[in-house]
Amino acid sequence: QVQLQESGPRLVKSSETLSLTCAVSGYSLTTGYYWGWIRQPPGRGLEWIGSIFHSGSTYYSPPLKSRVTISVDTSKNQVSLRLSSVTAADTAVYYCARVNYYGSGSNWRPNWFDPWGQGILVTVSS
Amino acid sequence: QSALTQPPSVSGSLGQSVTISCTGTSSDVGSYSRVSWYQQPPGTAPKLIIYEVSNRPSGVPDRFSGSKSGNTASLTISGLQAEDEADYYCSSYTSSGTYVIFGGGTKLTVL
Repeated sequence: QVQLQESGPRLVKSSETLSLTCAVSGYSLTTGYYWGWIRQPPGRGLEWIGSIFHSGSTYYSPPLKSRVTISVDTSKNQVSLRLSSVTAADTAVYYCARVNYYGSGSNWRPNWFDPWGQGILVTVSS
Repeated sequence: QSALTQPPSVSGSLGQSVTISCTGTSSDVGSYSRVSWYQQPPGTAPKLIIYEVSNRPSGVPDRFSGSKSGNTASLTISGLQAEDEADYYCSSYTSSGTYVIFGGGTKLTVL
């Protein structure tokens, strides 16, 4: 049974960098699939941040691309997210999820997200 | 387009059926069969309930069904149960350059 668990600081100061880790158990990252981050501001909808393959291949949401770095550590079987220059608008529950996908390069197409981690609320303070 | 369009709320009585719509464009829902639906009870993480328009993952009751016509996908829940009360989100691949687009979410109330 695949399980994902997000961890990291729950309070980040404005203009600093948000850093989170997603530990994956029950499934080796090197087996396949992309692994993604999705966030949800309080009381609002879902927003895809980006996804990564165990090889390091990444795809990012264009509006966030300049501030986002997603990395993978296959030895620890975990995926990490870094979001720089945060503001109050980055306050959200951050989820990691396994990504079913099709294709590669310019033909990469994410299909669905399953399973999801329980999420972690990160608050940006001024 | 920043989000797929869903009704903010729907309601139905126990045992009845409800349908939640998800309207996109020819850049997403209308051109690709990569529509998925997620159920999110209060305070919990989203859970996949429909993928590729109409397929149910193992363990999801057959009361949940999905379909698509043109630029609009739909989720139908039949035989409503109290535990179906949750927020529901649709999602699609998009060729607009942002890869993934979600709907704004629909709150289902079971009366």
